[in-house]
Amino acid sequence: AQSVTQPDIHITVSEGASLELRCNYSYGATPYLFWYVQSPGQGLQLLLKYFSGDTLVQGIKGFEAEFKRSQSSFNLRKPSVHWSDAAEYFCAVLMEYGNKLVFGAGTILRVKS
Amino acid sequence: DGGITQSPKYLFRKEGQNVTLSCEQNLNHDAMYWYRQDPGQGLRLIYYSQIVNDFQKGDIAEGYSVSREKKESFPLTVTSAQKNPTAFYLCASSPRGTLNTEAFFGQGTRLTVV
Repeated sequence: AQSVTQPDIHITVSEGASLELRCNYSYGATPYLFWYVQSPGQGLQLLLKYFSGDTLVQGIKGFEAEFKRSQSSFNLRKPSVHWSDAAEYFCAVLMEYGNKLVFGAGTILRVKS
Repeated sequence: DGGITQSPKYLFRKEGQNVTLSCEQNLNHDAMYWYRQDPGQGLRLIYYSQIVNDFQKGDIAEGYSVSREKKESFPLTVTSAQKNPTAFYLCASSPRGTLNTEAFFGQGTRLTVV
């Protein structure tokens, strides 16, 4: 069955430190991959997406992600975290068959000053 | 402005009552989705619809029902059969058949059973 795994439920980083959030997917065909961010009590905002082409994609707010087909991964990175980045981050995969959008369980990012 | 509107933002329901959550979009999107969000479980798909008058069950459809009579609207009814309905509900939409784009989300409805 198709699935998306975010292994880290919580991550705490210091302000200014680098960040990497992990995402692995299980899907037989080429996936369409997304990272969303959610502030408490709010909807989801798209950070970046990958459909094809360059496997390193740039997003908003200084985020980037790299698609690695051999590892079935799409990890999110940021070189220097700001306190305003504290939120919950979701990785998602769009299953082409049936146009079904599946999310991981999310990673809560805490930023300490 | 184009977007997705969910209403109400907060909803309280007595046990045994049905309640309907509204989701309206003016983005001219064909596909619409309903997700349930619980702490530590991410977003779980309840129902989704690719076109008007058609919808499919997601992973946790039991105790829920939907309709898609208009392209703009995809209301979700939480029935009394749903044993644990207290949660945050998110509606989303995306263009159908155009996979190189993302889903857009509403601001959510927080349902509490009292």
